[in-house]
Amino acid sequence: EAGVTQFPSHSVIEKGQTVTLRCDPISGHDNLYWYRRVMGKEIKFLLHFVKESKQDESGMPNNRFLAERTGGTYSTLKVQPAELEDSGVYFCASSQRLEGTQYFGPGTRLLVL
Amino acid sequence: GENVEQHPSTLSVQEGDSAVIKCTYSDSASNYFPWYKQELGKGPQLIIDIRSNVGEKKDQRIAVTLNKTAKHFSLHITETQPEDSAVYFCAARAHSNSGYALNFGKGTSLLVTP
Repeated sequence: EAGVTQFPSHSVIEKGQTVTLRCDPISGHDNLYWYRRVMGKEIKFLLHFVKESKQDESGMPNNRFLAERTGGTYSTLKVQPAELEDSGVYFCASSQRLEGTQYFGPGTRLLVL
Repeated sequence: GENVEQHPSTLSVQEGDSAVIKCTYSDSASNYFPWYKQELGKGPQLIIDIRSNVGEKKDQRIAVTLNKTAKHFSLHITETQPEDSAVYFCAARAHSNSGYALNFGKGTSLLVTP
């Protein structure tokens, strides 16, 4: 069974540009989560989808971040316009049940210059 | 919200020795405590988890203990091997009414030297 996949693995952009990250969850997992780790700090929750609906977006830092999951399969996270403090590793995770194990993808390493 | 503290931030042990990583949490409603291992270039992988109705859980060389009264939980790795070298994260999740987000500690970088 394929795990959670994320694309791209790395992205280097300039401040003010737009970047879109993609996550493909494990097949059949209705729950999809986005997390972020800024260097040296803890992994922080951004938001949680159940199928195509946003269950919890309490961790989204501001309105420069837009997450979508049209059709309830893969998800995208767009940052527009990117700022220096957005640099970090963005992880996606999925779970079959609400209280089930969350399986993480390899992450996208974003560097904003 | 939940606050998870993790110590130490770095840990170096000799192969064959034991390693212990400790975490504390603030929300008494937390009832699920997973531990993740992150190797270089990979995402966090679940290695063991414990729920609040259990005090200890063991899986081969890895064990986790939970003290709900003191609000702390620990990861114990025995007979460490070089391949145990990685960053380990503890996490806590509160009751489902608070959502299903995991709250992570800052991580412990474990180095096992041959």
